[in-house]
Amino acid sequence: EAGVAQSPRYKIIEKRQSVAFWCNPISGHATLYWYQQILGQGPKLLIQFQNNGVVDDSQLPKDRFSAERLKGVDSTLKIQPAKLEDSAVYLCASSLNLAGGANTGELFFGEGSRLTVL
Amino acid sequence: QQQVKQSPQSLIVQKGGISIINCAYENTAFDYFPWYQQFPGKGPALLIAIRPDVSEKKEGRFTISFNKSAKQFSLHIMDSQPGDSATYFCAASTGDKLIFGTGTRLQVFP
Repeated sequence: EAGVAQSPRYKIIEKRQSVAFWCNPISGHATLYWYQQILGQGPKLLIQFQNNGVVDDSQLPKDRFSAERLKGVDSTLKIQPAKLEDSAVYLCASSLNLAGGANTGELFFGEGSRLTVL
Repeated sequence: QQQVKQSPQSLIVQKGGISIINCAYENTAFDYFPWYQQFPGKGPALLIAIRPDVSEKKEGRFTISFNKSAKQFSLHIMDSQPGDSATYFCAASTGDKLIFGTGTRLQVFP
């Protein structure tokens, strides 16, 4: 079974430029997450989708970050304009939500997209 | 209240030794406590998980101990191996939302 695919793996941009990251979750996984992992820290949830609807975006800096999940499959995360503090690894994860809301809590992560803002 | 506190930040263990990583939480609504393992350049991967209705879960060399009254849980790695060298994250979940600890970098030396 194919895992979560992310691209690009690495991106270097100047501050105030824009960048977009793409994620393709595991087939059949209804829930998709974007996490931000700053060096030396644990992953921090940015946004969570259930199919193509947003479940939680409370920690997404909406003045500069946006995300969409069209057709409930692939997702893109965009940053515009980027700041120095956005340098991090952006992890996409997906999970299988079982009927009735029961959930193992197991998230399957991609390898991440490492962003460096100069 | 949504935080998960993890310690130590780093841990050095000799091959064959026991590695112990501790986590604490405040939110009693958390109902699922997984541990994730992350190798450099890779995403985190689920290692082992426990629910609060049991006090211990063992899978091979990995054991989670859970203390519901103290709101603490820990990961024990028995017979630690150099291949276990990675960063370990505890996490806590209510339903679908997963909150991660700050991570412990484990180094196992031969």
